[in-house]
Amino acid sequence: QQQVKQSPQSLIVQKGGIPIINCAYENTAFDYFPWYQQFPGKGPALLIAIRPDVSEKKEGRFTISFNKSAKQFSLHIMDSQPGDSATYFCAASTSGSRLTFGEGTQLTVNP
Amino acid sequence: GAGVSQSPSNKVTEKGKDVELRCDPISGHTALYWYRQSLGQGLEFLIYFQGNSAPDKSGLPSDRFSAERTGGSVSTLTIQRTQQEDSAVYLCASSLDHNQPQHFGDGTRLSIL
Repeated sequence: QQQVKQSPQSLIVQKGGIPIINCAYENTAFDYFPWYQQFPGKGPALLIAIRPDVSEKKEGRFTISFNKSAKQFSLHIMDSQPGDSATYFCAASTSGSRLTFGEGTQLTVNP
Repeated sequence: GAGVSQSPSNKVTEKGKDVELRCDPISGHTALYWYRQSLGQGLEFLIYFQGNSAPDKSGLPSDRFSAERTGGSVSTLTIQRTQQEDSAVYLCASSLDHNQPQHFGDGTRLSIL
């Protein structure tokens, strides 16, 4: 019940495309859903986060869509660039406790 | 520095040795977390500190793992009698308070020979 399932495992898009990464959870007590971006040799960097009282949040080219009834949330990257090539992790937590991470998605944006 | 600082960045040691990993959180951050990242297991929670106390240490995989935090700041994660399965990147994160976003350091890459 503590798992967060993430898909796809890897994703390749052309520059300017809109990659979409999906996550699903079971624990209805989760109330905070961040996305992290990780480059090789670096720690995860917080990109954007959402709480379940809203269905969508945008920050720059990054958008989270949240479907509380389906217990799913997704990350959309608008106008993707080669510099966005990285591994993306969704996560969930309850009231600021430990983060439970998805398995990660390796994104490649080709020039 | 402005971010979470971890040392050493890399550590290679022999099986059976003890290791200590250090985390300097962002100044003023009261909450501190340790996670482990490995190929087979992804990102796993280890332990959470609020101030100097650890209200959640349920992620520590065995009694060979321990952690402490002093002065509400620096934390050390100690692994005793290391095993090859302990090889991973150990990540530290801190947040202003327990209900605030977590910011990660770049980790310590631990290799057990």
